[in-house]
Amino acid sequence: GENVEQHPSTLSVQEGDSAVIKCTYSDSASNYFPWYKQELGKRPQLIIDIRSNVGEKKDQRIAVTLNKTAKHFSLHITETQPEDSAVYFCAFAPYSSASKIIFGSGTRLSIRP
Amino acid sequence: DAGVTQSPTHLIKTRGQQVTLRCSPKSGHDTVSWYQQALGQGPQFIFQYYEEEERQRGNFPDRFSGHQFPNYSSELNVNALLLGDSALYLCASTPWSGSYQETQYFGPGTRLLVL
Repeated sequence: GENVEQHPSTLSVQEGDSAVIKCTYSDSASNYFPWYKQELGKRPQLIIDIRSNVGEKKDQRIAVTLNKTAKHFSLHITETQPEDSAVYFCAFAPYSSASKIIFGSGTRLSIRP
Repeated sequence: DAGVTQSPTHLIKTRGQQVTLRCSPKSGHDTVSWYQQALGQGPQFIFQYYEEEERQRGNFPDRFSGHQFPNYSSELNVNALLLGDSALYLCASTPWSGSYQETQYFGPGTRLLVL
C-alpha cells in the first residue's frame, strides 16, 4: 500500500543543536518528497521539498537528503531556534497518483532553551 | 495575492447531520484537494477536483462527496456524520499539472466537531 513511516514521533533538542527526522516510503517509483511544518492550530506549511533527480537540497538551516535505493529521506535542521518548535510531516507523492500527497504521522519537535 | 481560504473556521454538528465545507484556491490555481487531519495524525487525502470533476479519491466512504465550481472553488460535503468525522479538514490547491507533482498550498482548515 501507499504509506510512509516517520521517526521519531517526538524529539527534544537543545537550542543550537541539530535535529534529524527520518522517513521511509513504500513506492519506489515516487519522485516528489515534500516536508511540512505545522504549528499548533495552524495549517501545514511547506518548508522544503526534493525531487528524485537530486540527492540533497539545502535552504539556509534546513536540508533534505534522499536515498532512492533505500527509499529513505531525511530532514536536517541545524542551529535550532525556539521558533523551530512544531510538528513536522514528511510526505511523498505516489507515482501512480501524483496528484495526491501521502503524509507521515508527524514528529513533534521541541527546542529546549 | 490571496492564498487558499476556507470557511467556516469552526463547526459543531451532531451525529447523523450533514455538513458542507468551502474552499477557494490560491489565485492562479485550478486544482483543489481535500484532506482530513484527525487529532495527532497527519493529513489523509480525501479527493481532488479539476475541471469540475473528481480526479483522484482516497480511502473514504461515499458519505464524503465534493463539488468544484467554474471559478475553481470547491465544496466538501459529509453526510450522516459520525463521531469519528471530528477532525480538521484541509483544502489544498495547485495548478493542474497532470502526472507532475506540483507543490500543494494548504488553507487554514475547518475544524469540525461532531457530538
